[in-house]
Amino acid sequence: DGGITQSPKYLFRKEGQNVTLSCEQNLNHDAMYWYRQDPGQGLRLIYYSQIVNDFQKGDIAEGYSVSREKKESFPLTVTSAQKNPTAFYLCATRQGNGETQYFGPGTRLLVL
Amino acid sequence: SQQGEEDPQALSIQEGENATMNCSYKTSINNLQWYRQNSGRGLVHLILIRSNEREKHSGRLRVTLDTSKKSSSLLITASRAADTASYFCATGSNGSGNTGKLIFGQGTTLQVKP
Repeated sequence: DGGITQSPKYLFRKEGQNVTLSCEQNLNHDAMYWYRQDPGQGLRLIYYSQIVNDFQKGDIAEGYSVSREKKESFPLTVTSAQKNPTAFYLCATRQGNGETQYFGPGTRLLVL
Repeated sequence: SQQGEEDPQALSIQEGENATMNCSYKTSINNLQWYRQNSGRGLVHLILIRSNEREKHSGRLRVTLDTSKKSSSLLITASRAADTASYFCATGSNGSGNTGKLIFGQGTTLQVKP
């Protein structure tokens, strides 16, 4: 997990509320990714960004938004349009043209 | 979208035994990777095998790749209680350009009993 921090570790969302999950990295990696993991399931890609000020939708982008204003930061907002947000959210980075990804410790989002 | 399936979904063995997990995928790939996830934590990269390789070793890990069958296996030899975790395969393809996008399987949960 070193070099990638995600906060908070646990996050509670009320109905109709937008919440933002933080992902910060000090690895100087260009690419960053957000995944959603449901219990007993694999990871599904929400959004990814290869450079600052640019990002693309993944497989399940509806109800989520991102920004990439700085190389180090790739925050994910879970909007009220996401009707089933309860999940474990993982941020990852990739160095240059490398093929492996490096993961943060994750944020667990729960709905009140 | 999920690339494929992992088999078995869950595996329970005694310490010292070998553990074998299988992964199948659907599309052509550039590489296949295995990651480990301890409960409630992020994923950690274990090993990568390229599409032109058939077998790769790293410590107690052995990975095989059969592109004709679109399948891979991960063997952990002489397992330890500390190997208890979920293991995921992930595929990278040329079709994704240089985005580095990976498609993950659903994982195998391994329990190693002391």
